[in-house]
Amino acid sequence: GAGVSQTPSNKVTEKGKYVELRCDPISGHTALYWYRQSLGQGPEFLIYFQGTGAADDSGLPNDRFFAVRPEGSVSTLKIQRTERGDSAVYLCASSFTSGRGGEQFFGPGTRLTVL
Amino acid sequence: DQQVKQNSPSLSVQEGRISILNCDYTNSMFDYFLWYKKYPAEGPTFLISISSIKDKNEDGRFTVFLNKSAKHLSLHIVPSQPGDSAVYFCAASPRNRDDKIIFGKGTRLHILP
Repeated sequence: GAGVSQTPSNKVTEKGKYVELRCDPISGHTALYWYRQSLGQGPEFLIYFQGTGAADDSGLPNDRFFAVRPEGSVSTLKIQRTERGDSAVYLCASSFTSGRGGEQFFGPGTRLTVL
Repeated sequence: DQQVKQNSPSLSVQEGRISILNCDYTNSMFDYFLWYKKYPAEGPTFLISISSIKDKNEDGRFTVFLNKSAKHLSLHIVPSQPGDSAVYFCAASPRNRDDKIIFGKGTRLHILP
């Protein structure tokens, strides 16, 4: 069975550019999460979707970051006017249900480097 | 301000011995705690969890202990095996915020042959 997949695995971009990071969750999982892991840190919560809607986007650092999940499956994290400080591994996770009953399964992440 | 603290960046343990990974938290609203394991170039994988109504949860070689008064939890792995070499993240979830998991910085465990 396929796990959570993320594309691309690596993305190098220049400061000021726009990037999109894609997450394909496990089929049937209704909850989807984005995290960011900077060097030497643990994953940091960004946003959580239940179905198509963003149930909690309190972790997005500023309005340059936006995420969508239009059909309740694939999600795209969009970063505008990238800055060097955005360099990190962006992790996606999905779960069958939200809350304590739903174990989060993580993808391998997208390593974003902003030059 | 780290709400979940793993003060040991790394730990080396002889194969077959017990590995003890420690974690402290500051937020008294946390009532559910998790440990994740991460290999290089892979995402974290769930290992074991514990609710604040318990003080111990065991799953095979892995046991998590929770001391609420000290706001401290620990993960015991016994016996340690080479495949246990990985980064271990302690994480916590606040009461009534099931969707939110706050992670520590992780502890890199090396199992020595």
